[in-house]
Amino acid sequence: EAAVTQSPRNKVAVTGGKVTLSCNQTNNHNNMYWYRQDTGHGLRLIHYSYGAGSTEKGDIPDGYKASRPSQENFSLILELATPSQTSVYFCASGDRTGGNERLFFGHGTKLSVL
Amino acid sequence: AQKVTQTQTSISVVEKTTVTMDCVYETRDSSYFLFWYKQTASGEIVFLIRQDSYKKENATVGHYSLNFQKPKSSIGLIITATQIEDSAVYFCAMREDTGYQNFYFGKGTSLTVIP
Repeated sequence: EAAVTQSPRNKVAVTGGKVTLSCNQTNNHNNMYWYRQDTGHGLRLIHYSYGAGSTEKGDIPDGYKASRPSQENFSLILELATPSQTSVYFCASGDRTGGNERLFFGHGTKLSVL
Repeated sequence: AQKVTQTQTSISVVEKTTVTMDCVYETRDSSYFLFWYKQTASGEIVFLIRQDSYKKENATVGHYSLNFQKPKSSIGLIITATQIEDSAVYFCAMREDTGYQNFYFGKGTSLTVIP
């Protein structure tokens, strides 16, 4: 079974501070995604990546950067955190080969920006 | 505009009965993929079942099945013989075969299974 690990699980940050959320997958999936989940909005895509060295903007990229230094790791970076970025963040990985496409999610990171 | 819409915010059913959750989607692509995911109380999100737009047969996995009505852009999730452990939030999602191929998610339906 695919494994996606996020760290930290919980984070409290101060307004204006820098926050880095990390994601690691051990399944050699090409595609990785960062979503945020808010009440009333479901899951919304922030950034995604097709492979090492690539990052693409999703639907709500403002205020976020992403980094994919390797196949396994995908980070989400908040350079200047704001209270509106308080949310639960999910990383996911997936691959479309073999006709078995699906997303595998991490357990989420609960971020509170005070 | 919302690409995937789940109109039922919450549903309660009695254990061992059948429940149907609705989902409608919007796309201009001729090829697309539809998914249902389950989010448990712990927050874990897991894949349940998938329907490819070109397939006429409804997908079935265990006690999950789909009611795919392509002309209505509808993909309902049917859970038969519900169990207490089925209590969760269920998300419908779509991926188009063109563009940047994002997975668009609905806002979810909360299911409570009552003993």
